[in-house]
Amino acid sequence: KQEVTQIPAALSVPEGENLVLNCSFTDSAIYNLQWFRQDPGKGLTSLLLIQSSQREQTSGRLNASLDKSSGRSTLYIAASQPGDSATYLCAVRNDYKLSFGAGTTVTVRA
Amino acid sequence: EAGVVQSPRYKIIEKKQPVAFWCNPISGHNTLYWYLQNLGQGPELLIRYENEEAVDDSQLPKDRFSAERLKGVDSTLKIQPAELGDSAVYLCASSLRTGPYEQYFGPGTRLTVT
Repeated sequence: KQEVTQIPAALSVPEGENLVLNCSFTDSAIYNLQWFRQDPGKGLTSLLLIQSSQREQTSGRLNASLDKSSGRSTLYIAASQPGDSATYLCAVRNDYKLSFGAGTTVTVRA
Repeated sequence: EAGVVQSPRYKIIEKKQPVAFWCNPISGHNTLYWYLQNLGQGPELLIRYENEEAVDDSQLPKDRFSAERLKGVDSTLKIQPAELGDSAVYLCASSLRTGPYEQYFGPGTRLTVT
């Protein structure tokens, strides 16, 4: 069974600082990995999807890396803003199943 | 393009009452998923549909939960009777049946059972 862990569970940073969010998984035979953002009381918004053959994916201030062999992915958010405050979840896909971590709740202080 | 639509957004019921959630996926998405999300945790899959067929319902508690997707588009998830422990957010997601299977989520239904 795939186990996905996100550490830390919560993070508070001042505005402008770069964010580094970690995700680890136990079964490296993944098809792809997705990073999601979830605002309080809302659904999940897909941020980035990395295929198992890729090492990284970028979108604006977001960059996600994938090291499949070590079972790790990292989401970098450059020059954080108060609007980046949310919970960030990673999810890995094996076959047809998506397994989620519990998320990292980020607070960016103005 | 319209996203995944869910209703209601919030529902408060007493235990032992029935409840139903509705989901309309993104147009053209053959695959539909229902997830359960408890507070402080990631979503967990309840059931996955390919068109109208439930291809993975291994995590659905079938004694009280049921789901249908009769015409391969909209879907309904039902709980009867509801228990206190069913209080959670119920999320619907959809994706294309071909890779990369990127999933798009609806806003969810927050259920409170009193």
